[in-house]
Amino acid sequence: NAGVTQTPKFRVLKTGQSMTLLCAQDMNHEYMYWYRQDPGMGLRLIHYSVGEGTTAKGEVPDGYNVSRLKKQNFLLGLESAAPSQTSVYFCASSYRAGIAGGITDTQYFGPGTRLTVL
Amino acid sequence: QKEVEQDPGPLSVPEGAIVSLNCTYSNSAFQYFMWYRQYSRKGPELLMYTYSSGNKEDGRFTAQVDKSSKYISLFIRDSQPSDSATYLCAMSADSGGSNYKLTFGKGTLLTVNP
Repeated sequence: NAGVTQTPKFRVLKTGQSMTLLCAQDMNHEYMYWYRQDPGMGLRLIHYSVGEGTTAKGEVPDGYNVSRLKKQNFLLGLESAAPSQTSVYFCASSYRAGIAGGITDTQYFGPGTRLTVL
Repeated sequence: QKEVEQDPGPLSVPEGAIVSLNCTYSNSAFQYFMWYRQYSRKGPELLMYTYSSGNKEDGRFTAQVDKSSKYISLFIRDSQPSDSATYLCAMSADSGGSNYKLTFGKGTLLTVNP
C-alpha cells in the first residue's frame, strides 16, 4: 500500500513550457486535491475533485488545469509555466470530505513535487 | 486581515520542554479545527482535530479551541527531538461534502534540541 504518490519529485522548467504532474492513490479514495505550498503563504488549494470525472476550482486555480479520468489518478497541468508557479506542489486524497459522525476524514498527502520555473 | 494567522517562528526549545503553538482566525463560521505536522521535505500529516470549543488530549499532545476568542492552541508536553517539524493549523466551516475546504495557517517551524 503506497498511499499517495507523486511524479516527478523535482522539475525545472523554462517560462512558457508546459508539464503535467501526476498524483496516484491506491486507497480507493473519492476525493483528491492539489495544493501549492510557498514560503510565508502556507498551503493553498488549487483544484480538487469529488469523484472520477469531476473537478472544481480551489483558492488559486489560475494557470492550472486538472483532470480526473480515473478514480486513482489526479493530474495537474501547467500549460504555460510562469516563475510565479515556482512552488512545492502537494496532492492529497480522502475517502470523503470533511467530518462525519464526529470522525474527521483524514486528507493523506503525497511527498510533494518541487517545481522551479526559470 | 488573513482568515488564519499563525506565527511562523522559528521556535527552538530544549528537550522535555512544554511547547505552545497557536493560531488565530477571523472567520466566525469555522467550527472544525485541525493540526497537521510536516517533517522537512515531506507532506503534511494529520495530528489532531477538534470540533467547536474545548480540549482534546492524545498522549503528549493537547489541542484547545476557544471560539469566543477565535484562538486555537496545540500543546506538546515532554517535547522530543522527533517532534521537530513544521506544525500547521487548519480550519473549516463545513462538516463535509463538496463545500468542504480547509484553510491552513502558514505553519510554525519547531526545533527540539537534545
